[in-house]
Amino acid sequence: AQSVTQPDIHITVSEGASLELRCNYSYGATPYLFWYVQSPGQGLQLLLKYFSGDTLVQGIKGFEAEFKRSQSSFNLRKPSVHWSDAAEYFCAVAPNGATNKLIFGTGTLLAVQP
Amino acid sequence: KAGVTQTPRYLIKTRGQQVTLSCSPISGHRSVSWYQQTPGQGLQFLFEYFSETQRNKGNFPGRFSGRQFSNSRSEMNVSTLELGDSALYLCASSLDGGELFFGEGSRLTVL
Repeated sequence: AQSVTQPDIHITVSEGASLELRCNYSYGATPYLFWYVQSPGQGLQLLLKYFSGDTLVQGIKGFEAEFKRSQSSFNLRKPSVHWSDAAEYFCAVAPNGATNKLIFGTGTLLAVQP
Repeated sequence: KAGVTQTPRYLIKTRGQQVTLSCSPISGHRSVSWYQQTPGQGLQFLFEYFSETQRNKGNFPGRFSGRQFSNSRSEMNVSTLELGDSALYLCASSLDGGELFFGEGSRLTVL
């Protein structure tokens, strides 16, 4: 069965520091991969997605992610974190291309120190 | 363009009752998906409707049901509520196969 693992439950970074959030997936074929962000009391917002092609994907708010098939990973990065980036981040996979039926990781809660 | 609207935003029910949650998708979106979010289980897919037909279903008991109307608005119903049904229920709409746009959710507390 397909699954998504986010090994870091909680991460704290200083404002201005770089960020990398880890995501590993379990899926036989080339998966459709997503990163979503959820601010407190809000729904989820799509940051970026990977379907095929260039393995380095650019998203909104200065985020990027790199698909590495050999490591079954799709890590999210940002070179310089802003206080407004504090939120929960979810990695997700669409099994068999069913983008309306996502399997989510457990999320990583990001705290940003001034 | 208005986003996905979910009502009510907050509600409290007691065990054994039933609840109906509503979702109005973005205009033009024909696909509506529902997800349950809890601290213990995370985000889990409930079901997806497209053109009034359930197209995909997650692994939830039959107490959880849904429907979609001709204007693409969707409702989900949970009968015989249990304490474990306390959760944030998120609705998402899409054109079909594209980006999911999520609403802010309906937070259900079961006492």
